[in-house]
Amino acid sequence: DARVTQTPRHKVTEMGQEVTMRCQPILGHNTVFWYRQTMMQGLELLAYFRNRAPLDDSGMPKDRFSAEMPDATLATLKIQPSEPRDSAVYFCASGSSTGTGDANTGELFFGEGSRLTVL
Amino acid sequence: QQPVQSPQAVILREGEDAVINCSSSKALYSVHWYRQKHGEAPVFLMILLKGGEQKGHEKISASFNEKKQQSSLYLTASQLSYSGTYFCGTGSGSARQLTFGSGTQLTVLP
Repeated sequence: DARVTQTPRHKVTEMGQEVTMRCQPILGHNTVFWYRQTMMQGLELLAYFRNRAPLDDSGMPKDRFSAEMPDATLATLKIQPSEPRDSAVYFCASGSSTGTGDANTGELFFGEGSRLTVL
Repeated sequence: QQPVQSPQAVILREGEDAVINCSSSKALYSVHWYRQKHGEAPVFLMILLKGGEQKGHEKISASFNEKKQQSSLYLTASQLSYSGTYFCGTGSGSARQLTFGSGTQLTVLP
């Protein structure tokens, strides 16, 4: 049963520490999204990759966040240094883009999320 | 920019109907609908594409008005399992990235 795998599922860390979250998209999918979910902001788009190329990271705080896809089977989201306001659930989702015009004409499959708590 | 959803919350009895609306200030290429139950990941319900093609759920329907940049999700004869938070996601921008609204919390009571 194909699914998006995220690690870690839970992370508690202290302010100032580096946090790395990992995502394994579904094999064959060529789009990867990172979302952050909080009660106040809902689902915020942080970064978006298509064919491993970053196409949009305008929602991501550039000074502390970075997102990469070192290969087609791994996407990473890094926070350095972490702050209490980064506490949230981070979701990775993957899908298929069928053409150059549309980023996503199909279903997005979400991972179970990484719950981050920064003390 | 996030699409705007309304209402923010709705409570109804099993068997009743509900409509959830989604609107955007940007030109839309697609509208997606997802449902999230508490503590779980969002799950795909439906996608509506520019041009009228619709793909998705057999018991839930939706409309997409491209000119008004709006979409509505129709839940008829609601079931207890319909409870959750519904998100609309709109594909817009140069990369058609998917941006979600703030969600509509739906509670179906017995």
